[in-house]
Amino acid sequence: QSVLTQPPSVSAAPGQRVTISCSGSSSNIGNNYVSWYQQLPGTAPKVFIYDNNQRPSGIPDRFSGSKSGTSATLGITGLQTGDEADYYCGTWDTSLNTFVFGTGTKVTVL
Amino acid sequence: QVHLQESGPGLLKPSATLSLTCVVSGYSINSGYNWGWIRQPPGKGLEWIGSLHHSGNTYFNPSLKSRVTMSMDTSKNQFSLRLTSVTAADTAIYYCARRPGIYVGGLDPWGPGTLVIVSS
Repeated sequence: QSVLTQPPSVSAAPGQRVTISCSGSSSNIGNNYVSWYQQLPGTAPKVFIYDNNQRPSGIPDRFSGSKSGTSATLGITGLQTGDEADYYCGTWDTSLNTFVFGTGTKVTVL
Repeated sequence: QVHLQESGPGLLKPSATLSLTCVVSGYSINSGYNWGWIRQPPGKGLEWIGSLHHSGNTYFNPSLKSRVTMSMDTSKNQFSLRLTSVTAADTAIYYCARRPGIYVGGLDPWGPGTLVIVSS
């Protein structure tokens, strides 16, 4: 069972904005950097946000990350059909001394 | 550009030992970074298995620690995972990935993954 909790699914119409929450604790999100991964069907995950709010080269600025306390959020604006995927948050857990992933959120474009 | 490619047995029987290799191209694993393994059971979420650094530092998921070994072959620029006493619960897609540090950076890049099925 994951120590990071995400909503199972979110959805919105094309062009709209969605946010995905990732809830943890002081031993993980509260004191460590958060990264976010997009996983398209049948493919390996790909990092979209690292160190809470940094975008790797090539990731559009429609994607943004933020963190407050023991929660993190991924935002997607101008939603496109190509954004339909599973999204996972991840961070180091100091108590478990291991990397932990969130439960995953499926984004659906209506 | 850095590329990772997993290879493994595909199918193995319960109680056997799983051995996977991740070949790295475009970067020398001896130059730094942490090199890790992640798995994903069919239709389920991601699970971190562990990581190692060329310095010898290793970190394992507590739930798997007793069955996991990781090693590095710098001459072949590859690293490996061994998981003992496998059961059907170990059936998953296994990915390898790179991360700058233990506390910082994202997992990037990932290999395409290799499916491992445990069945008698």
